[in-house]
Amino acid sequence: QKEVEQNSGPLSVPEGAIASLNCTYSDRVSQSFFWYRQYSGKSPELIMSIYSNGDKEDGRFTAQLNKASQYVSLLIRDSQPSDSATYLCAVMVTGGYNKLIFGAGTRLAVHP
Amino acid sequence: DTGVSQDPRHKITKRGQNVTFRCDPISEHNRLYWYRQTLGQGPEFLTYFQNEAQLEKSRLLSDRFSAERPKGSFSTLEIQRTEQGDSAMYLCASSIGTSVKDTQYFGPGTRLTVL
Repeated sequence: QKEVEQNSGPLSVPEGAIASLNCTYSDRVSQSFFWYRQYSGKSPELIMSIYSNGDKEDGRFTAQLNKASQYVSLLIRDSQPSDSATYLCAVMVTGGYNKLIFGAGTRLAVHP
Repeated sequence: DTGVSQDPRHKITKRGQNVTFRCDPISEHNRLYWYRQTLGQGPEFLTYFQNEAQLEKSRLLSDRFSAERPKGSFSTLEIQRTEQGDSAMYLCASSIGTSVKDTQYFGPGTRLTVL
C-alpha cells in the first residue's frame, strides 16, 4: 500500500476556474504536509506547507488538512495556464529525520 | 532559485562507468537530503545528512551508491558501475532542521542518463 496517494490526472480545468487537488496518506502520526509544484523537466518548488487541521490560504492557493480523515487538499483559485504543472503532495515522516514521502503527483492542465 | 545548487545539471554516461554529483545547500542549512525521481513518480528518499553525519540511508541506496558530506557543507553522491536502471533525476534538498515545521528546498537536480 502506497503511503501517499494522489490521482495522477490529468486534471483539466478552464482558465479562471478553481482546481482541486487531493491527497491521502497512511501515517496517522504525521504532523507536517507540503505541496510542491513541478514543471516538466524541473525540480519541485514549494507552494504551501500546512501543519494544523483546517485551511491555510496564501494568495490564490488554499491548503486544507483533515488529520482524522488523513486527507490533504490544495485549491487553486482563478487558475491560469501558467499553473499547468504536476503537483506533488509530500508528508513528513516523524522520527527525527524529517524525510519526505511524496505521492506520484497530479498533473494539472489549465486551458485558455 | 532556492539557493541550493547542483552540478552537473545533466550527465550522460555509459553503463559500467562511475559518476559523481555535487550539491551545495543553502549556507545556513545543516540538513541535506538526496532524493531520486523517475518519470511519472514522485521523488524517493535516498539518504540524509545532519551536518557531516550520514544518519539514514534508504534500502534503495545499494552498495554501488555512496554519499559524503565532508565538513558539513557540500555533499557528493557517487554511483559506481552505473546501470540503465540508475537513469533518473537526482535531487538534493536542504533545510534548517529545527522542528516538525522544517521545510526542504530543492536544487535544480542532476538528470542522469545511462546508455
